[in-house]
Amino acid sequence: SAVISQKPSRDICQRGTSLTIQCQVDSQVTMMFWYRQQPGQSLTLIATANQGSEATYESGFVIDKFPISRPNLTFSTLTVSNMSPEDSSIYLCSTRTGLENIQYFGAGTRLSVL
Amino acid sequence: KQEVTQIPAALSVPEGENLVLNCSFTDSAIYNLQWFRQDPGKGLTSLLLIQSSQREQTSGRLNASLDKSSGRSTLYIAASQPGDSATYLCAPLIQGAQKLVFGQGTRLTINP
Repeated sequence: SAVISQKPSRDICQRGTSLTIQCQVDSQVTMMFWYRQQPGQSLTLIATANQGSEATYESGFVIDKFPISRPNLTFSTLTVSNMSPEDSSIYLCSTRTGLENIQYFGAGTRLSVL
Repeated sequence: KQEVTQIPAALSVPEGENLVLNCSFTDSAIYNLQWFRQDPGKGLTSLLLIQSSQREQTSGRLNASLDKSSGRSTLYIAASQPGDSATYLCAPLIQGAQKLVFGQGTRLTINP
C-alpha cells in the first residue's frame, strides 16, 4: 500500500497569484499523478509525473499553467499559476503501486480562488 | 476514448437495505477496475480492485463484479448503514495509456 500526504489541505488565494501543492509518498514509486476535481464533477487527470523526466500533460492542461516537479521517487509538487476563480477545485495527488496496480490518493487540497 | 457511466447518479435508501451501484465503460481493453469511496470534500479511498481476468471481489459487506466483455461492473452493498453514505466512483485502468478514467459517481445516502 501507499500512504500519501498532501499539503496544504486547503487554501484561499487571490486571483493572479500561484499556489504550490506538495505531495509526499511513504515509499518509492515510479509514477505520480495529479488530478483536478471541479465542484460537483468527477476527477480529471492533469498530468503524470515520472522521476527524472518531464511530466506528461493531458489534453487541455499545459505546463505553463500547471508546472510539476518530481525531484525524487517519493515527492512531487504541482503549482497552479496565475490563478482565476475557475481554478477553484480540489487537487489530488495519486500513485499506483504493487503487482495489482492499486491506485491510492491523498486527501486532496481544496483551493478557492477569489 | 474510454467513457465511464455510473447509474444511478444519486440514491437514497433506508438503513439495512441491500443495494447495487452500476458502472459501464465503453472500451473493454482494461487492466483492472477499481471502486472508490469519496466523502464530501475529501480524497478517495480504494474499496475494491478487480483484475481484468477476475469476475468478482469481496471485502466485508461489499462485493464487486466485472463483466469485461460487456463493459459492466457492479458494486453490491449488503445491509447498508448510515456510515456508507458517500459518493462511490468506479474507474477502469486503461491498457496502453495506463491511466484511470473516472465515472461521475453515485451519491449514496443511507437514512437511519
